[in-house]
Amino acid sequence: QKEVEQNSGPLSVPEGAIASLNCTYSDRVSQSFFWYRQYSGKSPELIMSIYSNGDKEDGRFTAQLNKASQYVSLLIRDSQPSDSATYLCAVRILTGGGNKLTFGTGTQLKVEL
Amino acid sequence: GAVVSQHPSWVICKSGTSVKIECRSLDFQATTMFWYRQFPKQSLMLMATSNEGSKATYEQGVEKDKFLINHASLTLSTLTVTSAHPEDSSFYICSARDLVGQDMNIQYFGAGTRLSVL
Repeated sequence: QKEVEQNSGPLSVPEGAIASLNCTYSDRVSQSFFWYRQYSGKSPELIMSIYSNGDKEDGRFTAQLNKASQYVSLLIRDSQPSDSATYLCAVRILTGGGNKLTFGTGTQLKVEL
Repeated sequence: GAVVSQHPSWVICKSGTSVKIECRSLDFQATTMFWYRQFPKQSLMLMATSNEGSKATYEQGVEKDKFLINHASLTLSTLTVTSAHPEDSSFYICSARDLVGQDMNIQYFGAGTRLSVL
């Protein structure tokens, strides 16, 4: 089982719709969760961080965390063509060798006009 | 947020040559930096953790003699790909955390270096 799993997509949504991106993780002691956006050929940029169960909102973005279900999601409201990118879920996993940021394979989002 | 600068952004080299990539934390000190590699259509894979003043910690399967890491100061880590071959062609990205910043959990990424070995 992969440590961090995402549906690779592509996920296509019309402009103005809500895009819902999902991520599951395997390590129950994970404490920190992040969503990064990566445009083609570019490095990841942080969209959201979330550490506690529940919702966290920042502008058009809402991150949701459910530690009991080992599930974290990202909602993008009023999707814009500029939101078209790959969204990477990252989890800080505590291991015997320290703590590392582990990435999912990413979900490609396409916002269509 | 904190700024991580990476240079060069693109390098093309002949097979057998060595390539050095620099990663700098511009507005904070980074005792630890991280080096990732990303192949097309794949996710980021951690190669090694760079520690200021000590040896880097390499992930399983990463050749430490091929990927030399030096973290000589609190703001600079370098990755040298020695005797590069075409299979080393990839997107290399460095990252760091600002441990005294507003959120010490966040990792900030450099712009990445695209290496093409001919």
